[in-house]
Amino acid sequence: GENVEQHPSTLSVQEGDSAVIKCTYSDSASNYFPWYKQELGKRPQLIIDIRSNVGEKKDQRIAVTLNKTAKHFSLHITETQPEDSAVYFCAASKTGTASKLTFGTGTRLQVML
Amino acid sequence: KAGVTQTPRYLIKTRGQQVTLSCSPISGHRSVSWYQQTPGQGLQFLFEYFSETQRNKGNFPGRFSGRQFSNSRSEMNVSTLELGDSALYLCASSSLGGQTTQKETQYFGPGTRLLVL
Repeated sequence: GENVEQHPSTLSVQEGDSAVIKCTYSDSASNYFPWYKQELGKRPQLIIDIRSNVGEKKDQRIAVTLNKTAKHFSLHITETQPEDSAVYFCAASKTGTASKLTFGTGTRLQVML
Repeated sequence: KAGVTQTPRYLIKTRGQQVTLSCSPISGHRSVSWYQQTPGQGLQFLFEYFSETQRNKGNFPGRFSGRQFSNSRSEMNVSTLELGDSALYLCASSSLGGQTTQKETQYFGPGTRLLVL
């Protein structure tokens, strides 16, 4: 089955700096890659997603890049703010089992003032 | 639209008991997936229901089961509870899910936190 690895497990950055979280997947058939943000005690919330027919997607301060050949995708957050502090999860799924998301282990991002 | 709702939010049970959790998807969503979240194992897929049928299943023992009703509401049941079943159980809904990744965005509920003593 699919396996998703996520690095780093924790990340501390100064406010205003950029943060990058990387994930690799094993199943070459995976074609959907969402990123979720989970604040303490709250539900995971989708922040951005990308499909395999696109190499990069951007939404304001957040961007995701996908390298299908290397089977890895990354989340980039620019101009980090304290409210960006949370746990971020990457995930992967594929057509046919699109609702079966395989998640990475999460990255705890702390934005320091 | 109202978001995904789950009841109850917190639950304490003892080993050997069984528990039923409920999930109401976003109106119009027909796919409901269930996930278990623990500090050690992270987020793991349990199963997905679509039009009252289980369409996908994760690698959990048969003690974990579910069902979906005609209004798309879903329940999951865990029988013979073990200490290791203590977790946050999340459900997520999407409009179609399954066959296409075009409508697969999953929206999560707040979860039910289960503690097994």
